[in-house]
Amino acid sequence: DGGITQSPKYLFRKEGQNVTLSCEQNLNHDAMYWYRQDPGQGLRLIYYSQIVNDFQKGDIAEGYSVSREKKESFPLTVTSAQKNPTAFYLCASSILVGVGNTIYFGEGSWLTVV
Amino acid sequence: QKEVEQNSGPLSVPEGAIASLNCTYSDRGSQSFFWYRQYSGKSPELIMSIYSNGDKEDGRFTAQLNKASQYVSLLIRDSQPSDSATYLCAVFREYGNKLVFGAGTILRVKS
Repeated sequence: DGGITQSPKYLFRKEGQNVTLSCEQNLNHDAMYWYRQDPGQGLRLIYYSQIVNDFQKGDIAEGYSVSREKKESFPLTVTSAQKNPTAFYLCASSILVGVGNTIYFGEGSWLTVV
Repeated sequence: QKEVEQNSGPLSVPEGAIASLNCTYSDRGSQSFFWYRQYSGKSPELIMSIYSNGDKEDGRFTAQLNKASQYVSLLIRDSQPSDSATYLCAVFREYGNKLVFGAGTILRVKS
């Protein structure tokens, strides 16, 4: 089946640790995104990538890093510099970035700081 | 002022009624508009997209767009308990090449 796969679904992070969330898509989409969702708030864009080996900061990039070495993969690392990382993280993709391009989401990853 | 505003709700409607969800946006140049449904603990799923002024119907769902008033709405006819979810309005902002989401409206359909 075509889709976006995120792993792990649940992740616990200790203070001072870096953790990496995986995102893989087999939709042949060029654009990929990472969003963060906090309770009662809308989705906020962390990073996005329009093409392999290129990515752009979103609204809340501080404390996060990404890579785009393959078209299918866009992992997100939550670094120890992110002071409040507990949230629901959503990976998404679209054919391209721009007007008229629909964004589709993976199932999400829950990150909790313990 | 938030870029995309929605009433947080909850909006409660009886089963079989029409649910009306509203969204306003601030960027007058926006061209693409989307409605997503999100069940508790799950990821958003696309319901509809709309690009032109007027109505767009898909089954029980109708999206309405009024660019002059910077207003987009979603009507759900014959509401079912399974429609109970949070509905997210999203607007594509060409400046910054970004899809901006509202905080969502909680809909509760009572049987």
